[in-house]
Parts: sequence; C-alpha cells; structure tokens
Amino acid sequence: QQPVQSPQAVILREGEDAVINCSSSKALYSVHWYRQKHGEAPVFLMILLKGGEQKGHEKISASFNEKKQQSSLYLTASQLSYSGTYFCGTAQSPQGGSEKLVFGKGTKLTVNP
Amino acid sequence: EAGVVQSPRYKIIEKKQPVAFWCNPISGHNTLYWYLQNLGQGPELLIRYENEEAVDDSQLPKDRFSAERLKGVDSTLKIQPAELGDSAVYLCASSLDPASAEEQFFGPGTRLTVL
Repeated sequence: QQPVQSPQAVILREGEDAVINCSSSKALYSVHWYRQKHGEAPVFLMILLKGGEQKGHEKISASFNEKKQQSSLYLTASQLSYSGTYFCGTAQSPQGGSEKLVFGKGTKLTVNP
Repeated sequence: EAGVVQSPRYKIIEKKQPVAFWCNPISGHNTLYWYLQNLGQGPELLIRYENEEAVDDSQLPKDRFSAERLKGVDSTLKIQPAELGDSAVYLCASSLDPASAEEQFFGPGTRLTVL
C-alpha cells in the first residue's frame, strides 16, 4: 500500500516548473506532502483531504483526484531553495482521529542556477 | 516556539549492544510518532502514541524494539540488541490535534550506525 511517486528524480534550472506525482492503489482519505533536505527533518508542505479541503503553504499548489487516488504537487518558477527530496504520505482513513501515513520513496528535485 | 527535540543526533555502536533514543515533542502535542528512515526511502512508522497510549505499534519489531512515553510528554525508543540492519535514521514527530488531519512536525532525527 506504499504510494508510488514519479518521477524518481528531476533536475531543473531556476525559474522552471515541475510536477511531482503520487498514486495509490487504495482509496485515500488524505495526501500529505513533505520536503526533506539532506540531513534535515522533513518539512510540511500541504495536506489534501477527501472532499476538497486543503491545508498548507500559500505558495504551494497541489491537486487530489479522489477517483484516481492520485495527487500532484506543482512547483512553479522554481528557486534554488526548492531543492530536496519530496515525499508524499497517504492515509486511507482518519484512523480513529489520527492518521497513519504511509510514505512513498520520494522524488529528488535539484534546482540549478 | 521550540521544535521537536531529539537526542543524540548521531550514535555509533557495535552489533548486539543496546541503544536508546530520546524525543521531546512540541509542547501541547498529544500525538507522538517514531519513524525509521532508511537511505533513499521515505519514513516508515514504527509506533504512534496518543498521550501515554501506544495506539499503533503494529510495525514495531517487538522482539528487540521497545518504546515508552511516560506522562504523555517525552518518549524513548530502545533497541536491544542492535543488529547491522538497524542502521538508519530514527525520526520522531508530533502533531497537535488527533481529531483531524494535521501536519506532523518532525525532529532532526538520530542517525544510528551499527558496526
């Protein structure tokens, strides 16, 4: 039930756009997105909930297709600081109030000058 | 506001030795998670606490791993005895509200090397 992320890696030049995808074979309650820089803690980007609610940073854009169990993270006008590994975490239910997240293997994003 | 605190940041031990990791979550966060992260992989949940209660420990290898969260605040994860395959980063995270989908705040992790 681990979600599948694509692509595994992407290299951009500053200012270019990228899309990172996350798909699951199971019906999803929510999708969480995190970014992790080398040797650091994962940092929260966004949560997308079944029904359309979203929580996250204003400058981050993402979509959640409930029927296809897919989510996409849109990185526009990329900056050097966007470099890192992006993980999606999926939950199938609220799990009694708190969610059990299963993370994908990550997408490594490199932004060059 | 202080973030999630973990110690030690790095630990090198020989196989068959015991090791313990400590985590102090963000003040007021009732939910605490321990994750294992192997190189090039996403975090994998080991155990989740709601206050003092371990509500999900299905992924914790109970023959060698144990955890506790006394008084519902800080937590300790122990491995005894450690094996070579336990080398990984152990991440602690906490979240505020168990009643809805909330972001998890991660600590910097403890990088364990078993020789």
